[in-house]
Amino acid sequence: NAGVTQTPKFQVLKTGQSMTLQCAQDMNHEYMSWYRQDPGMGLRLIHYSVGAGITDQGEVPNGYNVSRSTTEDFPLRLLSAAPSQTSVYFCASSSWTGNTEAFFGQGTRLTVV
Amino acid sequence: GDSVTQMEGPVTLSEEAFLTINCTYTATGYPSLFWYVQYPGEGLQLLLKATKADDKGSNKGFEATYRKETTSFHLEKGSVQVSDSAVYFCALSLLSGGYNKLIFGAGTRLAVHP
Repeated sequence: NAGVTQTPKFQVLKTGQSMTLQCAQDMNHEYMSWYRQDPGMGLRLIHYSVGAGITDQGEVPNGYNVSRSTTEDFPLRLLSAAPSQTSVYFCASSSWTGNTEAFFGQGTRLTVV
Repeated sequence: GDSVTQMEGPVTLSEEAFLTINCTYTATGYPSLFWYVQYPGEGLQLLLKATKADDKGSNKGFEATYRKETTSFHLEKGSVQVSDSAVYFCALSLLSGGYNKLIFGAGTRLAVHP
């Protein structure tokens, strides 16, 4: 009964370093997405995918890359970390229709120094 | 554009007090509406939802009614407990441009004291 699993839970990066945040879901959901959560701003959509091989940009995509080679996995890559990317990142998945709920991972707290 | 506006927090209440967290939305089309809750150190989880006008969502003593005429989805609970302390997010969902667009409010932090 795993749901959405994110790793790591915490990460500290130096400016300019790269890293990949992992996200996996076991519910066979078509739709997966990445959000960042910043104080007073709610959750903002970074990238999303509607199925394997299909990705698109959300509201704040700059500095991030994604790919979706399988239904289960949707990694988020930071190409060259910047202090402005210090945030809490959440991965979510849902089935296709808009009326169903999104399931969230527990989040990754990233600090860029 | 589509958006969700929530009352700013934090909201601080004593145990057994009545809770209201206001939420209004702007959307093209006919969205579904959600309340999510985030407990400390955890991800968001669905609290309740409503998919059409006049629907009432309810769960764990919380309720919210989809009011199309006032574009609102206010969250209420008659008697809060310390365990309700969390951040609450109002959200709307609608199909836009071929994908499931989920838009969140900024969140309202609730602190309940004994």
